[in-house]
Amino acid sequence: EVQLLDSGGGLVQPGGSLRLSCAASGFTFSISAMSWVRQAPGKGLEWVSAITPSGSSTYYADSVKGRFTISRDNSKDTLSLQMNSLSAEDTAVYYCARDTMTFSNWGQGTLVTVSS
Amino acid sequence: DVVMTQSPLSLPVTLGQPASISCRSSQSLVNSDGNTYLNWFHQRPGQSPRRLIYKVSNRDSGVPDRFSGSGSGTDFTLKISRVEAEDVGVYYCMQGTHWPRTFGQGTTVDIK
Repeated sequence: EVQLLDSGGGLVQPGGSLRLSCAASGFTFSISAMSWVRQAPGKGLEWVSAITPSGSSTYYADSVKGRFTISRDNSKDTLSLQMNSLSAEDTAVYYCARDTMTFSNWGQGTLVTVSS
Repeated sequence: DVVMTQSPLSLPVTLGQPASISCRSSQSLVNSDGNTYLNWFHQRPGQSPRRLIYKVSNRDSGVPDRFSGSGSGTDFTLKISRVEAEDVGVYYCMQGTHWPRTFGQGTTVDIK
């Protein structure tokens, strides 16, 4: 069974940093492209970032470019999202998702709250 | 960016009756590999999104056959042949052809 376990969310002050993780199991992580998607409270889904299976290519939404960094560790089947210079607009539930074209499986999400 | 426009945004339905959601993209979603990466997701309150349909019309494993997807190019539709109580929630279309990936605004389905 495919499982994606998101973690690392929490309360952070504006301007602060946070690192999210997604632990994958039940599929061959090293050959799967991966994505992060977020959902602000009461709002719709917003794609954030994606990474190719090897990690050689990464993609970002304009809203996070230069502040967020996606990475992966294929030896540990783990996807990460380093988030810097956070603002209130980044408050959301963050989901990791398998694939970058069809988003076949999703994690349970981890809540990031940016507030003083 | 490719804009995904769903309609209606709110859809009250009667149990046992059909329902239909439209999704239009601002550009063709036909990819260079010949596939059209238009996907549909369902999200219940407090839950993660779940994919229902991928590449326009392919139903995911475990998805009831009352759900169907159709369309081409820039115009797509999700249909529920007979709505059941478990179908309530928000439905999103999403394109996986162009960067950045983009979602529709979401259509809230509830029971009349």
